[in-house]
Amino acid sequence: DQQVKQNSPSLSVQEGRISILNCDYTNSMFDYFLWYKKYPAEGPTFLISISSIKDKNEDGRFTVFLNKSAKHLSLHIVPSQPGDSAVYFCAASRGTYKYIFGTGTRLKVLA
Amino acid sequence: GAVVSQHPSWVICKSGTSVKIECRSLDFQATTMFWYRQFPKQSLMLMATSNEGSKATYEQGVEKDKFLINHASLTLSTLTVTSAHPEDSSFYICSARRIRAGQGITKNIQYFGAGTRLSVL
Repeated sequence: DQQVKQNSPSLSVQEGRISILNCDYTNSMFDYFLWYKKYPAEGPTFLISISSIKDKNEDGRFTVFLNKSAKHLSLHIVPSQPGDSAVYFCAASRGTYKYIFGTGTRLKVLA
Repeated sequence: GAVVSQHPSWVICKSGTSVKIECRSLDFQATTMFWYRQFPKQSLMLMATSNEGSKATYEQGVEKDKFLINHASLTLSTLTVTSAHPEDSSFYICSARRIRAGQGITKNIQYFGAGTRLSVL
């Protein structure tokens, strides 16, 4: 039972354009969502998070949108840079419980 | 962001030996740390939750006698892979949880170590 899904295993975007990564979840009890970036053979790096009481959170080039009715969140990266090329994982949690991770989306930003 | 150190980054061992991996939170105290395993091209699989001063909580299907976890202080958790076999070869990653509350929001953020590549011959 995959409670958190990232249906696009990969995404290619031209440098300077917008990257949109999507994540769907099934458990309506989740109240905190996060995005992590991961390079090969490294641990994930925290990017941005959002609480279920908000529908948008912005930090520099990164914006996370949350649509609770659709149980969907997305990460927007604008403008995309070659250094953003990595695997992006979304994660969801309820309270201070453990995370449930998505399967990841590999982003490739083309120069 | 917070800093979590994981050591060693890479280890090769013979089948039947035990390997210890350390996870340290360098700039905050973590009552809870987590141990994950990642197979190639797959997501992070939670193995266990490490609680300071008490027993770890293992996920279903993870052998607690095989993967020993010790969280003796607020900044250190260790994972020992006992009697390692080639099928235990994998990428192991730890994280330390930091909880911050304010303005009606509880932020539950895990900061990850760089991971340990274990190869069992």
